[in-house]
Amino acid sequence: EVRLVESGGDLVQPGRSLRLSCAASGFSFHDNALHWVRQGPGKGLEWVAGIGLTSSNVGYAASVAGRFTISRDNGKNSLYLQMNSLRPEDTALYYCAKQVGTTGPAGGGYFDSWGQGTPVTVSS
Amino acid sequence: EIVMTQSPATLSVSPGERATLSCRASQSVGFSLAWYQHKPGQPPRLLIYGASTRATGIPARFSGSGSGTEFTLTISSLQSEDFAVYYCQQYKDWRAFGQGTKVEIK
Repeated sequence: EVRLVESGGDLVQPGRSLRLSCAASGFSFHDNALHWVRQGPGKGLEWVAGIGLTSSNVGYAASVAGRFTISRDNGKNSLYLQMNSLRPEDTALYYCAKQVGTTGPAGGGYFDSWGQGTPVTVSS
Repeated sequence: EIVMTQSPATLSVSPGERATLSCRASQSVGFSLAWYQHKPGQPPRLLIYGASTRATGIPARFSGSGSGTEFTLTISSLQSEDFAVYYCQQYKDWRAFGQGTKVEIK
C-alpha cells in the first residue's frame, strides 16, 4: 500500500523559514517524480513544486520560485520542501503527491497518491 | 503558463441526476488532463487521467471527454458520496489546477 506522510507544518512568523518532510513507503521511491500541492483556507488546489528522480530536475510555481526549494533523499525515501521568506499567503495545508505516467516532473504525469497534508500558518 | 478555468463554480444537483462539469485550458494540453475529487478532511482522489481513462476503482458513472482546450467530466447518476469539489489539472507543461467546481445537493 502506498503511503505518504507529511510532517513539519507549524505556525511561523512572516519572513521566517520552515522545512516540510514527506515520508514515503509502499512503492519504489527512486522511480517516481514527486510534487508538493497546497490548499489555502477557502481556496482551491495550487501546485507548488515538483522534482524528478534526482534533485537536479525541479520546477516551481511562480508564487514560490526563489523562496522554496524542493529536494529528495532516495536513501531515506523522503521528500522535502524548504520554505524561506514565508508570507501570510503561504498559509495552507501542504500535500505531497506521487506522480505516475512519466519520471520527469515537467510533464506527462498525473498524481495517483496523496498524503493527508501538513498545515502551515504564517502569521505574526 | 497554462491557466485552467472551470465552470460552473457551483453545481446544484439532485441525487440520481446527471452532472456535467467543464474545464478549459488557455492553450492546448492535448490529452494531458486529469480530474480529481476532493472532500473535506481527505486528500484529493484521482478520478480520470488522459482526459478519459478512469483510474483504478473509479465507478463507471464517472466519465471524461475532450482534448486540446475543452474538457468535460460527467457523473451520470449522482450518488450521495459524489457531492464534493472537483478539480481539473493539466500535466502537459508542469502542473496547473482549475479553481474547482463544487457539486452540492439540490
